[in-house]
Parts: sequence; C-alpha cells; structure tokens
Amino acid sequence: EIVMTQSPATLSVSPGERVTLSCRASQNIDSHLAWYQQKPGQAPRLLIYGANMRATGAPAWLSGSGSGTEFTLTISSLQSEDFALYFCQQYQNWPYTFGQGTKLEIK
Amino acid sequence: QVQLQQWGAGLLKPSETLSLTCTLYGGSFSGYYWGWIRQAPGKGLEWIGEISYSGSTNNNPSLKNRVTMSLDTSSNQFSLRLSSVTAADTATYYCARMVRGYFDRGYFDYWGQGTLVTVSS
Repeated sequence: EIVMTQSPATLSVSPGERVTLSCRASQNIDSHLAWYQQKPGQAPRLLIYGANMRATGAPAWLSGSGSGTEFTLTISSLQSEDFALYFCQQYQNWPYTFGQGTKLEIK
Repeated sequence: QVQLQQWGAGLLKPSETLSLTCTLYGGSFSGYYWGWIRQAPGKGLEWIGEISYSGSTNNNPSLKNRVTMSLDTSSNQFSLRLSSVTAADTATYYCARMVRGYFDRGYFDYWGQGTLVTVSS
C-alpha cells in the first residue's frame, strides 16, 4: 500500500502567519491527493482534491500544490478557525491511505 | 444539502459483530460510492471500504474478510458490519460520500457525525 507521510507532526504558529504543510507519498500518485481539516469532536472536512482544487466552501486563503510524490497545503494568512488537524489522503490506489496528520496550534 | 446521519451500537464485547447504519438525506446514491472510515482514539484515519450504487464493493485488505457492506436505496441507507471485533477495532467510525476522482477511486466530500465504538470485555 502507498504510505503517506506528513510533516511536521505539530506546527506552532501565530495568527496572520503564512504556513506550509507537507505530505509525501511513498510512490507516484500523480495529482490524486486530497486534504482534510479536522477539529476536535468533528468529522473531517474536505478542503482540497486533485492536489490543487479547492472544495466547495473551502477558504480562499488555502491552496494546494504538488504532484507525483510531494505535496503541500499552504495557508496564506492564518485565521483563528484554521487551528486544527490536517490530513492528506491518496486515491491513486486501493487501499486509500491517509497521512498521520499535522496539528496547527496557536503559538 | 447532503447530510449523512449514522447510528449503531457503541459498546461491544470481543468477538461480537459491529453494525452501523448511515442514512442519506438530501441527495441520491446514484453516481457515487459510499464509504466507511475509522479513527482510533488519538490516531489517524483508516479507510475501511466502500460500496457503489450498484452494490460493488472495495475493502481494505488489512481487515481481512471481516467487512460486509450493503446499500438499500428504498430506505436511503447503507450499512457496515465488521465481524469478530477486538480491542484494536475501538475507534470512531464515519460514513462518507466518495466522489470518483480517478476511475472508481476518490475522495470524501460529505461525512457523517461519527460513532464511537468501544470493544471491551
């Protein structure tokens, strides 16, 4: 199965900062990658699909990029609602696999 | 507006069968796959499997042959059964709608609220 590795595990940042989250696939997944946001006690929420396509309702200050094995999620200016857990997911092959997540916390 | 509402038993004993049902509101089964994902306490997400409108399924091999999924269009529901549970199956289970992004594979755009299932003797 394809292993998804996210880094860092935790990121301490201040509101207004620009932040980049990384996701690496163990083999080529083209652009078949999605990003999700999860807040405590809630289900994940789709943010990005196709590596760089924003989902309906996803904030405009979020963007995704990458292809092949290296991907990033960029938040251009952190808002209070952005402090959460972020997961990437590949859908190149079954079984779908998720990264272990990056937690954004307030500095 | 698509909504998924799920329910099922929250406490099981080892060797019992987990059974969860998800009801679809405000949408149609047609054109989508319907999936199950779980999250052990404090851990990441694990895909369990998915079922299409026509009843074809894909499962995670890690769960061996313990997974059964079904879909009932007449009641707008789809279900998951996981047999022979152990403590390792303790997790929050989510149902979700899968959008096909690459052949019959894809990502999840609508999620149920989650059901915590605890396996304990």
